[in-house]
Amino acid sequence: EIVLTQSPGTLSLSPGDRATLSCRASQSVPSSYLAWYQQKPGQAPRLLIYGESSRVTGIPDRFSGRGSGTDFTLTISRLEPEDFAVYYCQQYGRSPLTFGGGTKVEIK
Amino acid sequence: QVQLVESGGGLVKPGGSLRLSCAASGFAFSDYFMSWIRQAPGKGLEWVSYISSSGSTIYYTDSVKGRFTISRDNAKNSLYLQMNSLRAEDTAVYYCARGGAVTSFHFWGQGTLVTVSS
Repeated sequence: EIVLTQSPGTLSLSPGDRATLSCRASQSVPSSYLAWYQQKPGQAPRLLIYGESSRVTGIPDRFSGRGSGTDFTLTISRLEPEDFAVYYCQQYGRSPLTFGGGTKVEIK
Repeated sequence: QVQLVESGGGLVKPGGSLRLSCAASGFAFSDYFMSWIRQAPGKGLEWVSYISSSGSTIYYTDSVKGRFTISRDNAKNSLYLQMNSLRAEDTAVYYCARGGAVTSFHFWGQGTLVTVSS
């Protein structure tokens, strides 16, 4: 099983700040099948990035993903008020599919 | 537009059973892998099971093997999860999502809450 470790657990930032979220895999993620999701309280998760760096249609370009192998990063270039949420990485290249534990981006 | 609507959640006693359903619309259901994903209260996301477009390939997370059964009816655009021998640790919101092996979860339902308690 590929274990995904996200860090930090919580990120306290202000609107306009840059957010850098890390996702580290216990073994190489096949073909960079790595996705990022955003979840707000009481809502289902929303896909932001797939294939390690492809942005879903309609997702603002302040969200970007990069990485390969075992190290992946989600960057939010300038935080907007609606970006404060929990973010999860997920690998879908090898079964069982796995999620990271999440990073909460909170208002400082 | 793509819609996934789960139903069938509720309160059940330990050892009991429940069947979740997910009604899909707005896309060619029979072309896609489908999955169930759950989230315990205040916790992170846990993938539970996926089924291929034809139903020929199925995979479960270890903690539900032998207790849960995923299935689909492509004629009815519906996905199911039969849950038997339920335990307290199965308490969660269960989401239906489009995707599975080598495809990310582009679309999610709103979730249905399953509570296992005496």
